Amino acid sequence: GQSLEQPSEVTAVEGAIVQINCTYQTSGFYGLSWYQQHDGGAPTFLSYNALDGLEETGRFSSFLSRSDSYGYLLLQELQMKDSASYFCAVRDQGGFQKLVFGTGTRLLVSP
Amino acid sequence: EAGVAQSPRYKIIEKRQSVAFWCNPISGHATLYWYQQILGQGPKLLIQFQNNGVVDDSQLPKDRFSAERLKGVDSTLKIQPAKLEDSAVYLCASTPSVGSSAKNIQYFGAGTRLSVL
Repeated sequence: GQSLEQPSEVTAVEGAIVQINCTYQTSGFYGLSWYQQHDGGAPTFLSYNALDGLEETGRFSSFLSRSDSYGYLLLQELQMKDSASYFCAVRDQGGFQKLVFGTGTRLLVSP
Repeated sequence: EAGVAQSPRYKIIEKRQSVAFWCNPISGHATLYWYQQILGQGPKLLIQFQNNGVVDDSQLPKDRFSAERLKGVDSTLKIQPAKLEDSAVYLCASTPSVGSSAKNIQYFGAGTRLSVL
């Protein structure tokens, strides 16, 4: 079967750094994506890793280790607006971009 | 560029009633997805279209759910009859063609929140 594990909730203060981990077991693997979703809002794309290593985009970075079936999202200089749910998602097929989502990590940023 | 449009935003129905959701993807996006997101969970793929053809509907409860994308543009998802456990947010997403630099990005609509009483 397919499974992705993430912590259910993470708390941090403004200005801090937080890491959200994701481990996966899927039948196939072509890449790991991260999406952000505010309450009542649409999921929005943050990053995609197909190869091992770190990808940096502004305050957010994403890491992948294919041999460990593991990745993480790193959020730096946290802001109140970063309070949201974060989902990792595996692209498990090479063809039509199908994603399998994790259960999500709720990040609460306090002043 | 306009985003993915969905309607209605909210719907409340009684169990055993029927309901339909509409989605208009980003212009030019060939791939369209319908997801079900139950409160506290991640989105679960129900059906995926490539133009007007179905690519994956393995997780669609076909005894009650149906979807179509007749002209390869907008799409409709229907539930008939609805059950209590169908209460969820139904999200539509679209992806550019394989040749696009954004091919690994799914663009989501705001979703339709369905409550079945």
